[in-house]
Amino acid sequence: QSVLTQPPSVSAAAGQKVTISCSGSNSNIGKNYVTWYQHLPGTAPKLLIFDINKRPSGIPDRFSGSKSGTSATLGITGLQTGDEGDYYCASWDSGLSVVLFGGGTKLTVL
Amino acid sequence: EVQLVESGGGLVRPGGSLTLSCAASGFTFSSYSMGWVRQAPGKGLEWVSCISTSGKYTYYGDSLKGRFTVSRDNAKSSVFLQINSLRVDDTGIYYCASILTHYNWNDMGSWGQGTLVTVSS
Repeated sequence: QSVLTQPPSVSAAAGQKVTISCSGSNSNIGKNYVTWYQHLPGTAPKLLIFDINKRPSGIPDRFSGSKSGTSATLGITGLQTGDEGDYYCASWDSGLSVVLFGGGTKLTVL
Repeated sequence: EVQLVESGGGLVRPGGSLTLSCAASGFTFSSYSMGWVRQAPGKGLEWVSCISTSGKYTYYGDSLKGRFTVSRDNAKSSVFLQINSLRVDDTGIYYCASILTHYNWNDMGSWGQGTLVTVSS
């Protein structure tokens, strides 16, 4: 069981918006940066958001990140069928000195 | 163009050992910390290890300490992951990744395509 908790699945219609939550604790999300990854079937994971809300070059502004206390949220607007896949949050845990991944959220675009 | 190419995976008996390699190109390898992440069949991503630019600092997933050893050769632009006493639940795809920032081990910016490790008798 992951220390960072994500909903197993979310779904929304094409063109709509969806949010994915990631809940942690004071030793990880509460005091460190949060990263979000997209993992599409048959491909390598891709960095979507780092330092809570920064996007690497090439990542469209449809993707956004935020954090409040010990929770973080990934937002995706203008959903496309190509967005279907698994999404993971990650954060450093200062108490354990490890990187933690959330359990992953499967996004379905209806 | 950044490229990370993993190799060394394959079929191994339980209790055996394996060394995975990741060859990097397209960036100044010695300036980037590196990490390893794995994914078991049907499971989510699991962080395995990371290593600092010089190799001085290394960290491992909680359940992996003692069997996994990460190292790097900056002259060859390569990072390695040695796994001893392999178990069936070590089966999965192992990805190497370059770490984007100097201050955040979980910012893995570029990833390889992965190498498959299968542990079975």
